[in-house]
Amino acid sequence: QVQLVESGGGVVQPGGSLRLSCEASGFTFSDSFMHWARQAPGKGLEWVAFISKEGRDAYYADSVRGRFTFSRDNSRNTVYLEMNSLRTEDTAVYYCGKDFAWFCDYWGQGTLVTVSS
Amino acid sequence: QSALTQPPSASGSPGQSVTISCTGSSSDIGNYNYVSWYQQHPGKAPKLMIYDVNKRPSGVPDRFSGSKSGNTASLTVSGLQAEDEADYYCASYAGNNIRIFGGGTKLTVL
Repeated sequence: QVQLVESGGGVVQPGGSLRLSCEASGFTFSDSFMHWARQAPGKGLEWVAFISKEGRDAYYADSVRGRFTFSRDNSRNTVYLEMNSLRTEDTAVYYCGKDFAWFCDYWGQGTLVTVSS
Repeated sequence: QSALTQPPSASGSPGQSVTISCTGSSSDIGNYNYVSWYQQHPGKAPKLMIYDVNKRPSGVPDRFSGSKSGNTASLTVSGLQAEDEADYYCASYAGNNIRIFGGGTKLTVL
C-alpha cells in the first residue's frame, strides 16, 4: 500500500530555514510526479509545489516561489522541501502527495512547521 | 493564483442529498476537466473522493458524484451518512503546472 511519511518539521524563527523530507513506499517512486501542500492552523488547504519524475523541473505557488526549493532523490524514494526566509504565515502542516490525474491520490499525515519568535 | 470559491458550510439530514459548489474561472475549472474533490476529517490527511470531474477512485461509495458546468464544479453526496461529516475541498489544474484548492466547505450531518 502507498505510504508517504513526512519529517523535519519544528519551530523556527522568522527569516530562518528548514528542510522537510517525505519518504515514499508502496509504488514506483521514480515513475511518479510529486507535490507538497500545506494547511495553516484552522485554515484550508493550499497547494505549494510540484516536481517532475526526474526532478529536473519544479513549479511553485506564488506565495513560496523564490523562497522554497522542491527536490527529490529517486535512489532514496524521498522528496525534499527546502524552505528559506520563513515567515509567520508559513506556519502550517505540510503534506506531501503522490500525483494522480493532475493532482494527488495519496497524501501523507503531515509535519507541522511553526514560524515564531 | 486565487483560491477556488466554495461555500463555507453545508448541511443535510441523514438520507438526504447535499451539493457543494466550487467556482473558478476560465483559466482553471472552465478550461480543464481536471477537477478533484477531497474529504478531510479533523486531524487527518485529505482523502481523494472524485477526480477528473466525475470519476470515483476504487473504494469510494457511489453516493459521491461530481459534475461541472462552465467555471463551476459540484460535488453531490446522496444518502447522507454520519461519517460523511467532514471538510470537503475542490481542486483544479490551472495551467502552467500550477494547481489550486478551494477554500473548503464544512459539511454537517444534522
